[in-house]
Amino acid sequence: NAGVTQTPKFRVLKTGQSMTLLCAQDMNHEYMYWYRQDPGMGLRLIHYSVGEGTTAKGEVPDGYNVSRLKKQNFLLGLESAAPSQTSVYFCASRDRGQNTGELFFGEGSRLTVL
Amino acid sequence: QQQVKQSPQSLIVQKGGIPIINCAYENTAFDYFPWYQQFPGKGPALLIAIRPDVSEKKEGRFTISFNKSAKQFSLHIMDSQPGDSATYFCAAKMMGSARQLTFGSGTQLTVLP
Repeated sequence: NAGVTQTPKFRVLKTGQSMTLLCAQDMNHEYMYWYRQDPGMGLRLIHYSVGEGTTAKGEVPDGYNVSRLKKQNFLLGLESAAPSQTSVYFCASRDRGQNTGELFFGEGSRLTVL
Repeated sequence: QQQVKQSPQSLIVQKGGIPIINCAYENTAFDYFPWYQQFPGKGPALLIAIRPDVSEKKEGRFTISFNKSAKQFSLHIMDSQPGDSATYFCAAKMMGSARQLTFGSGTQLTVLP
């Protein structure tokens, strides 16, 4: 099983450009999450989804949009990239019945905004 | 507002030493406390988790100690090895919440050979 796959793994953008990060999971998980990781800040939740067609805001949603058109995919979009969005982005998923705090993470997408 | 405070930010120990990472929380609605391990270039992966009604849990060389009255919990790594060098995150899961986890700020552990 591939688990959680993120594409692209690396991307460099100029300020104002747009882009989309794709997350795909093959575990038939209902819940999916997008986090950003910054030094000294841990992992902060951007948006999440509890099922196909549903999304909700997390802790730091400003400047990002998401879509969950298919159960296995969760897209994170930046409409107008800013240097403050330079970060490593992680997608994660879990089964609906998983209540012990176990999330399955992808390997991350490193984004640099110049 | 950070709801889970983690310390230290970085830690260096010799092989065989016992690094200890500490976390504190305030919200009593948390009902599970997992620890994640992250190697460079990889995503975090669950290492071990504990419920607040348990004072200690061991899995191999990894032990979580939990002090419910103090709202603190810690990770101990017995007989640490260079292969344990990684970033460790504590986290807290909110009861009944789809948002799941609030993470600590992370501890970068280096185990010297």
